[in-house]
Amino acid sequence: KNQVEQSPQSLIILEGKNCTLQCNYTVSPFSNLRWYKQDTGRGPVSLTIMTFSENTKSNGRYTATLDADTKQSSLHITASQLSDSASYICVVSAYRGSTLGRLYFGRGTQLTVWP
Amino acid sequence: DAGVTQSPTHLIKTRGQQVTLRCSPKSGHDTVSWYQQALGQGPQFIFQYYEEEERQRGNFPDRFSGHQFPNYSSELNVNALLLGDSALYLCASSLRGGGETQYFGPGTRLLVL
Repeated sequence: KNQVEQSPQSLIILEGKNCTLQCNYTVSPFSNLRWYKQDTGRGPVSLTIMTFSENTKSNGRYTATLDADTKQSSLHITASQLSDSASYICVVSAYRGSTLGRLYFGRGTQLTVWP
Repeated sequence: DAGVTQSPTHLIKTRGQQVTLRCSPKSGHDTVSWYQQALGQGPQFIFQYYEEEERQRGNFPDRFSGHQFPNYSSELNVNALLLGDSALYLCASSLRGGGETQYFGPGTRLLVL
């Protein structure tokens, strides 16, 4: 069964600190993995996307890693800011041959940054 | 260049009613996917439209139906609304059937009383 599991479910950190969010997946055949940031009541916004051959991708203070062998990914946030408070969703794409990609969403990690 | 737009932003309905939600994809995109997101949960895939046809479908009943127009915009229809249909409904657009990055709209928040 294709699944995406994220941990922790929620996280509270102090402003300026670093944190790491985890994503484990069982989606097959694997196409790519994305991390999205979703502010409350808003649509998700893409942070990073990694294919099978990429094991790290950065976007400013966000760095995502991918281990396709163990089917694990992490999102590391450095020097957190209050605006980082949001839900972070791991999304894995599966391809069906040459046709359409199907996305599998994790439940997200709710990050709260305190001043 | 407008991103993905959805309408309405909020909607209140009663059980048994029908609702239509609308989505305009990002300029240049030809694929629209619909998701349901309950409070505190990740988005759940409803279905995807490409070339005016439903190409993939998630685990949702037939009460959920959709349509894609020649200009690539899309509608999501839900019949016989249940209380459990209350959620944020997200539309995402992409290129060429969804293999590319999906760009999400702001969502429509539906409340069923």
